[in-house]
Amino acid sequence: AQTVTQSQPEMSVQEAETVTLSCTYDTSESNYYLFWYKQPPSRQMILVIRQEAYKQQNATENRFSVNFQKAAKSFSLKISDSQLGDTAMYFCAFTLNTGNQFYFGTGTSLTVIP
Amino acid sequence: NAGVMQNPRHLVRRRGQEARLRCSPMKGHSHVYWYRQLPEEGLKFMVYLQKENIIDESGMPKERFSAEFPKEGPSILRIQQVVRGDSAAYFCASSRSRQISYEQYFGPGTRLTVT
Repeated sequence: AQTVTQSQPEMSVQEAETVTLSCTYDTSESNYYLFWYKQPPSRQMILVIRQEAYKQQNATENRFSVNFQKAAKSFSLKISDSQLGDTAMYFCAFTLNTGNQFYFGTGTSLTVIP
Repeated sequence: NAGVMQNPRHLVRRRGQEARLRCSPMKGHSHVYWYRQLPEEGLKFMVYLQKENIIDESGMPKERFSAEFPKEGPSILRIQQVVRGDSAAYFCASSRSRQISYEQYFGPGTRLTVT
């Protein structure tokens, strides 16, 4: 079975500071893609960053970067220089190369404090 | 290039009524995925369709729920005889092909409220 665990239901960070959101997952497959999605109050799902499991180099996207530890099945998201607009729910997800569906965690609610 | 469109954005139904949710994929995309997000939870896969075919419905409840993606027009998720437990946000995603199903683009969702 494929599962995603986000153990931090809520987090807060001061504006301009750095915050790390945790995610672990479980799969017996070796080829898959990992994602972080942002869901603001509008409920639109916005792709933040994507990581291919076969790549050892951690993905980065401007202020967002990941720490991908394949052996530990860990995929954390680091947000640097936090901005008020980063306030949202953040979902960790993955999909298998051979699969169709995305598997989502239960989300972490991040609040950036001015 | 318009993104994935869903309508309506908000839908209110009384118990026992039918709910019809529509999804128009991105231009050039012929693969559609439906997900359900219950309150305080992540998105859960329901069904995967290609034009005129259901490819994977492993996440679909066995009764009252059905989905279609006709040759022409949007994909439809239909919920018959809705109950309060069906209240949720329903998201549609689309991809260009099965080979790159990891590139799914999500719509804004339809929030269904059953009273």
